[in-house]
Amino acid sequence: QSALTQPRSVSGSLGQSVTISCTGTNSDVGGYNYVSWYQHHPGKAPKVMIYAVSKRPSGVPDRFSGSKSGNTASLTISGLQTEDEADYYCCSYAGSYTLLFGGGTNLTVL
Amino acid sequence: EVQVVESGGGSVQPGGSLRLSCEVSGFTFSGFWMHWVRQAPGKGLEWVSRLNTDGSDTSYADSVKGRFTISRDNAKNTLYLQMNSLRAEDTATYYCARDPGIYYSDFFYMDVWGKGTTVTVSS
Repeated sequence: QSALTQPRSVSGSLGQSVTISCTGTNSDVGGYNYVSWYQHHPGKAPKVMIYAVSKRPSGVPDRFSGSKSGNTASLTISGLQTEDEADYYCCSYAGSYTLLFGGGTNLTVL
Repeated sequence: EVQVVESGGGSVQPGGSLRLSCEVSGFTFSGFWMHWVRQAPGKGLEWVSRLNTDGSDTSYADSVKGRFTISRDNAKNTLYLQMNSLRAEDTATYYCARDPGIYYSDFFYMDVWGKGTTVTVSS
């Protein structure tokens, strides 16, 4: 159960777009369409931004979108805003009712 | 308001035990799978364990299997995590989270999270 691979940090300018990748294996990301993404501000509860690869929960801005190709899932945030600055984690179903998180990506909005 | 509140964290020596609780409100607890997720200091989120609606089926991360036990009391709207044989690497903030599927997980994700309770394992 090795963590999914995410870049440690990404940055983007206000109003621009960024994409965060999440690479796993055929046993997790590539094997199921159950990838979710979480936004985490330190000291607060994590918040789901995307589930089932590309579905957005109600209340999440449509600036957030998700996709998957093979063993790599991606979260794209367009029209970056200052409040988007946070840690982002991908999470995939890994079989046998287990989940696997990525190592997390720190997003800086310049 | 849908809410989950963790408690029971604290400091314990290596090899010791601790039981975390997660009290929920604002939804029918017995209808949802529940999870524990942790975050060690300076590290990322790590999924720990999951429990189905009636407590009959569990799953665990390899890192805690055989040492941690997840359970629930639906009458008390409370989820538990019994942690035994604690190690320094178990030091983390532990989060309780709900899977939004009704009686079964449709998409294997978590939609309601608590703010966590902190466990420190140190001599």
